[in-house]
Amino acid sequence: EVQLVQSGAEVKKPGESLKISCKGSGYSFTSYWIGWVRQMPGKGLEWMGIIYPGDSDTRYSPSFQGQVTISADKSISTAYLQWSSLKASDTAMYYCARHEVYYYYMDVWGKGTTVTVSS
Amino acid sequence: SYELTQPLSVSVALGQTARITCGGNNIGSKNVHWYQQKPGQAPVLVIYRDSNRPSGIPERFSGSNSGNTATLTISRAQAGDEADYYCQVWDSSTAEVFGTGTKVTVL
Repeated sequence: EVQLVQSGAEVKKPGESLKISCKGSGYSFTSYWIGWVRQMPGKGLEWMGIIYPGDSDTRYSPSFQGQVTISADKSISTAYLQWSSLKASDTAMYYCARHEVYYYYMDVWGKGTTVTVSS
Repeated sequence: SYELTQPLSVSVALGQTARITCGGNNIGSKNVHWYQQKPGQAPVLVIYRDSNRPSGIPERFSGSNSGNTATLTISRAQAGDEADYYCQVWDSSTAEVFGTGTKVTVL
């Protein structure tokens, strides 16, 4: 079964760093893009960026460029999303999703990681 | 940047047809994908490349795309179809873009 398993919920303080993960299984991890999608409370979906684990090619939405870092460790089939200094406005649900290679639709999704940033 | 506009909400009577639009400049030249998101759950792909259904998605879900509007159609609507629906395209300048989302209510 193809699946993406995300790390658990996080509660952090403003200014702290954080790295959340997304582990793929049941398919060739290096042959698909993996992306991250933010959903703030009660709001819509926002695409953040993607990485191709095969060669670490990474692309960011202009809205998130410089705000987060996307990385991957293909040896353990895991993608990451990290922040160096969290803000309260980073409070949201974060989903990882596998992107089809040619048309970039998201055919497999993780269940999401809730990140809460509060002092 | 490329923008996709959807109606905030659509209501449909049980067993009738719901149509959800997604507007964008010359969207007919792009591949449009649709996602369903039920409360507390991750999104699920229901239509890809304008009109293709992934395995496991009922035939009641269909899509079309032309000009400046793409449409997701839900035929014979069921209570279980209540959800938020999002369109999505890949744009060369903005990369992935999601629509604003539509809440579908089955009456």
